[in-house]
Amino acid sequence: SQTIHQWPATLVQPVGSPLSLECTVEGTSNPNLYWYRQAAGRGLQLLFYSVGIGQISSEVPQNLSASRPQDRQFILSSKKLLLSDSGFYLCAWSAEGARAAFFGQGTRLTVV
Amino acid sequence: GDSVTQMEGPVTLSEEAFLTINCTYTATGYPSLFWYVQYPGEGLQLLLKATKADDKGSNKGFEATYRKETTSFHLEKGSVQVSDSAVYFCALIGGATNKLIFGTGTLLAVQP
Repeated sequence: SQTIHQWPATLVQPVGSPLSLECTVEGTSNPNLYWYRQAAGRGLQLLFYSVGIGQISSEVPQNLSASRPQDRQFILSSKKLLLSDSGFYLCAWSAEGARAAFFGQGTRLTVV
Repeated sequence: GDSVTQMEGPVTLSEEAFLTINCTYTATGYPSLFWYVQYPGEGLQLLLKATKADDKGSNKGFEATYRKETTSFHLEKGSVQVSDSAVYFCALIGGATNKLIFGTGTLLAVQP
């Protein structure tokens, strides 16, 4: 069966520090991968999505970047965190043909 | 572009009441439609899905029918419980793209 792993679950980082959040998927190949941010309140903002290795689409200009070095690995990064980067970050994957989409448990990032 | 519109919350119901959360969508092609649920402090869980017109997704007493003629995917449950209190998100994966697009979420509060 397919599983998605996202870590860490919680992270507290100082302003100006770098960030790296990792997401991996098991049990499937060539998934579509997504990074979302959920700020205060409940809305989900699509940050990046990827349909293949090295293929990244950015939805909003911001302080973050994403990379997909392997088929089932999706990394969210920042060189220098801002206070406004605080939030709940969620990774998701969907199968080819779009018949399902599943989320990791999320990373709660607090920038202090 | 593709979009999802769902009813504003919060929705407050008494236990055993009937629930409807409206969701309509705009998409090119033939999207797959989803309802997700987020319990307090947790990530998103897939509640149900439908991949083609007239499909009915169902799970845990919740149902939603893919209505192409009205571009809708309304969530219903005949008798809600206190444990159903959560935020519910309607979402789609576009037929022409691989983007997973969410509505703004609807907070459901069920009172005993």
